[in-house]
Amino acid sequence: DPKIIQKPKYLVAVTGSEKILICEQYLGHNAMYWYRQSAKKPLEFMFSYSYQKLMDNQTASSRFQPQSSKKNHLDLQITALKPDDSATYFCASSQDGGAREQYFGPGTRLTVL
Amino acid sequence: GDSVTQTEGQVALSEEDFLTIHCNYSASGYPALFWYVQYPGEGPQFLFRASRDKEKGSSRGFEATYDKGTTSFHLRKASVQESDSAVYYCALGPPTSSGQKLVFGQGTILKVYL
Repeated sequence: DPKIIQKPKYLVAVTGSEKILICEQYLGHNAMYWYRQSAKKPLEFMFSYSYQKLMDNQTASSRFQPQSSKKNHLDLQITALKPDDSATYFCASSQDGGAREQYFGPGTRLTVL
Repeated sequence: GDSVTQTEGQVALSEEDFLTIHCNYSASGYPALFWYVQYPGEGPQFLFRASRDKEKGSSRGFEATYDKGTTSFHLRKASVQESDSAVYYCALGPPTSSGQKLVFGQGTILKVYL
């Protein structure tokens, strides 16, 4: 059974619209993350949460908003979509404490037309 | 800021060849160092990590040794298989804190031919 679920797997959106990317993890981890992977910048950190609190935000734009409704959920809302937002977005999680490895989901591939 | 440099963008080998992918980092203190592998259509998978100088990490026949003197964490495998074809990423993270970002290198595409 998949331990990190991301929905949807593929997403096509029009410029200016808003989308929510879903992430759920069933590893019992307390820390969750979002990363972005595109042709221009492979595997770029966006956000990290620990115990549902924002720990780090490396995203310059406020159009990207993480949402944590439960301990094992970390969704990503993206507003006013632009073609440059086209990328694969990966959710990850880790056990809390120490230099822990992060486990990645399968990703959501977003295309903005 | 912290950074990771992978020298090889792409490596092409035949089965049973020896593999080396070079990884050098720039960071203060003692970052944790990681290797990840990514197969097409999937997220990166954790291979192994090392957290202190001279520590060796290993998994699935791959290994790397943390070298603070040369700020390196080179990936090696004695005999590659076609199934090892994938993209390999070196990464670094803070030494003690969780909920913090990993900084990834650019990735190295490994293609192994029969």
